[in-house]
Amino acid sequence: DAGVIQSPRHEVTEMGQEVTLRCKPISGHNSLFWYRQTMMRGLELLIYFNNNVPIDDSGMPEDRFSAKMPNASFSTLKIQPSEPRDSAVYFCASSPPNQPQHFGDGTRLSIL
Amino acid sequence: AQSVTQPDIHITVSEGASLELRCNYSYGATPYLFWYVQSPGQGLQLLLKYFSGDTLVQGIKGFEAEFKRSQSSFNLRKPSVHWSDAAEYFCAVEGTGFQKLVFGTGTRLLVSP
Repeated sequence: DAGVIQSPRHEVTEMGQEVTLRCKPISGHNSLFWYRQTMMRGLELLIYFNNNVPIDDSGMPEDRFSAKMPNASFSTLKIQPSEPRDSAVYFCASSPPNQPQHFGDGTRLSIL
Repeated sequence: AQSVTQPDIHITVSEGASLELRCNYSYGATPYLFWYVQSPGQGLQLLLKYFSGDTLVQGIKGFEAEFKRSQSSFNLRKPSVHWSDAAEYFCAVEGTGFQKLVFGTGTRLLVSP
């Protein structure tokens, strides 16, 4: 099992640029989660999908953030335009029904 | 609303000594409870989970946790710590059926020789 795969592992870009983070969940998992981790706020759930449908996006900080899951094997988290305060580690996780979440290794995002 | 408190920001334990990491949760019904471990530069790995049944739960890497409803606690224990256990540990709660994990702020474990 390849686990949850996130890309890129690291991203450095200038403020105002569009950033796209990618996630491939574990095959057969029907739920997908995007988290953000910072020193100040810890781990925060941004959004989660069930069977490719967004269920709860109440954690998305503002309209600059958007997430999509066009099919069961791929999801993106997009920030446009990016700002320095968006710098964080972004994690994707997936889970089968009624089972714990499995996390990817994260994308470390730095906005200059 | 669910919440998780990990009162210890960091703990230092000598190698070979026992370990207990504290976790208290707030939730109106019986929650699902988890402990995850995060090594530097990596994602979170599940150590163990409590859904129902036996309140003493065994996990990977020799860890165990005990659910105590009366104390709203789910403390993580290990009888003998190894240097490779140095990492950050997160307790999390999920409201039954909600699929949303709420994490504590984490406890960083340092292991001294």
